[in-house]
Parts: sequence; structure tokens; C-alpha cells
Amino acid sequence: KQEVTQIPAALSVPEGENLVLNCSFTDSAIYNLQWFRQDPGKGLTSLLLIQSSQREQTSGRLNASLDKSSGRSTLYIAASQPGDSATYLCAVETSGSRLTFGEGTQLTVNP
Amino acid sequence: EAGVVQSPRYKIIEKKQPVAFWCNPISGHNTLYWYRQNLGQGPELLIRYENEEAVDDSQLPKDRFSAERLKGVDSTLKIQPAELGDSAVYLCASSLDRSGNQETQYFGPGTRLLVL
Repeated sequence: KQEVTQIPAALSVPEGENLVLNCSFTDSAIYNLQWFRQDPGKGLTSLLLIQSSQREQTSGRLNASLDKSSGRSTLYIAASQPGDSATYLCAVETSGSRLTFGEGTQLTVNP
Repeated sequence: EAGVVQSPRYKIIEKKQPVAFWCNPISGHNTLYWYRQNLGQGPELLIRYENEEAVDDSQLPKDRFSAERLKGVDSTLKIQPAELGDSAVYLCASSLDRSGNQETQYFGPGTRLLVL
């Protein structure tokens, strides 16, 4: 059974700092890995999707990497802003189009 | 373009009562998902539809949960009777289909259920 773990569970940083969120998964037989953002009381918004054959994806200040063989992914956020405060979820897609999510990292960026 | 719409946004019921959630996916999206998200955890898939067909319902507690997607558009998820442990956020998501390699799921805001 696929298990996804995210570290740390919570992170608080001052505005402007660069930061890294970590995700690990137990079964490397994945189709893709996605990073989502969830704001309080709202649904999930897809940030980046990395296919299993890719190593990284970038969108603005966000960069996600994937090392499938070691079962690891990182989400790098550059020059963090208070508006980045949210919960960040990592999910891997396995056979049957099933997404398995981690428990998330709750990020707070302080002005 | 409207996103995934869910209603109600909040629901408070007493245990043993029935409850139903409604989802309207993004227009043209053939695949629809229902997830349950417990507090402090990631979402867990309950059921996935391809058009009208439930193609993955292995994690749906069938003794009390049921779902339907008539005409392959809107969907309802029902719990009868509800238990205290059913308190969670129920998320609906949709995606285009499985013909492409990339399959981004678009999530609705969820229905927050509290069972007393």
C-alpha cells in the first residue's frame, strides 16, 4: 500500500525567506506526483504536476523536484510572502488513477 | 468558467440521521471523484466515476455510504445513517478524462460535516 509522508508538519518563517517542503513515498511505481495548496475552509488547488519521467517542474517562485528511485520530492518556495501561508499537500498517482495524499505541511509566512 | 460546485458548504446533523452532498463538476469533465478529508490529514478517495460508471469504489464504506452520478454530470454522495466518525470534509473533484498523460484534478470547496 502506498504511503506518503510530509515533513515538517508545520513551518513558520519570516517573509522573504526561501524554504523547502519535503515529501516521501514508499512505492516508486507512480505515474506522477502533484503538489497542492489548500487554504482554510477551501478545496485544493493544483500547483505543480511532475510526470514520473520528469525530474522537476517550475512555476513562478515554485520549483518541485522528483527523485522517483528514492521516493522523494521537494517543493522549493523562493522569497516567501504572507500570501503563501496555507497547507501544502503532496500526492502521488498510482495505478487506477488513484491519488494518495500526504498529511500536509502547514506553512505560515510572517510579515 | 465556473469551478467545481458543492453544496451545502456546511452541515450539522445528529448521529443516525441521513445526509446528502451534491457536486456539479466542471463542464465537460468526464471523471468525478469524491474524497473524505479528516482533520489534519490529506484527502482519501471514496469513489471515482468515469461518466456514469463507478470505476473505483473500493474505499467506499458500502454499508452506509452510497453515491450516484446520473447522466454523467452531477453527483450525490449519501450517508445513512451517519456516525460520529463521519465528521469530516467531503471534497468533490473532476478531471477531463484519462486519454492524456497529465490528469489535473480540480477540487471543489468541500462540504464540512459535523455529526453530533
